[in-house]
Amino acid sequence: AQSVTQLGSHVSVSEGALVLLRCNYSSSVPPYLFWYVQYPNQGLQLLLKYTTGATLVKGINGFEAEFKKSETSFHLTKPSAHMSDAAEYFCAASWTSGSRLTFGEGTQLTVNP
Amino acid sequence: DGGITQSPKYLFRKEGQNVTLSCEQNLNHDAMYWYRQDPGQGLRLIYYSQIVNDFQKGDIAEGYSVSREKKESFPLTVTSAQKNPTAFYLCASSILGYYNEQFFGPGTRLTVL
Repeated sequence: AQSVTQLGSHVSVSEGALVLLRCNYSSSVPPYLFWYVQYPNQGLQLLLKYTTGATLVKGINGFEAEFKKSETSFHLTKPSAHMSDAAEYFCAASWTSGSRLTFGEGTQLTVNP
Repeated sequence: DGGITQSPKYLFRKEGQNVTLSCEQNLNHDAMYWYRQDPGQGLRLIYYSQIVNDFQKGDIAEGYSVSREKKESFPLTVTSAQKNPTAFYLCASSILGYYNEQFFGPGTRLTVL
């Protein structure tokens, strides 16, 4: 079955440090890929998406992600963490247009001063 | 402004009572979705609808019901048959045939006493 795995349910970084949140999918067919962010008691907001074309995708708030087909990965990075980045992050995949999204379990990011 | 509205933000009900959560979108999206989110868990799909007057069960449909009488509205009823209804409920919508990028509402936190 097609699935999405996020390594690490909790990630803690210092303010100013690199943020790396990992996402892998299981399928021989590359999907459309998304990263969402959720602040406490709020809905999900799209950070960035990969559909076709350039494999390095830039999103909002300084985040970017790189699609690596050979590694079936779509890791999210940000060069320098800010306190406001503390939130839960979800990776999601869709294998055909019009199909449902498959979500990872989420990664809670803590940013320490 | 276009978007998805969920009301109310917080909802309290006594055990054994049915309760209906509202979801309205003015994005002219074809598809709408309901998710349940429990603390420390990812998103689980309850129901989804791709067209008016039609809907499909998701992964955890037992104890829930929906209707789709209008394109812009997709209310969710949590029935007394749902054994553990206390959770955060998220509504989303998407354009069919466009990578299935989903847009989320702000959520409703339901507490059953």
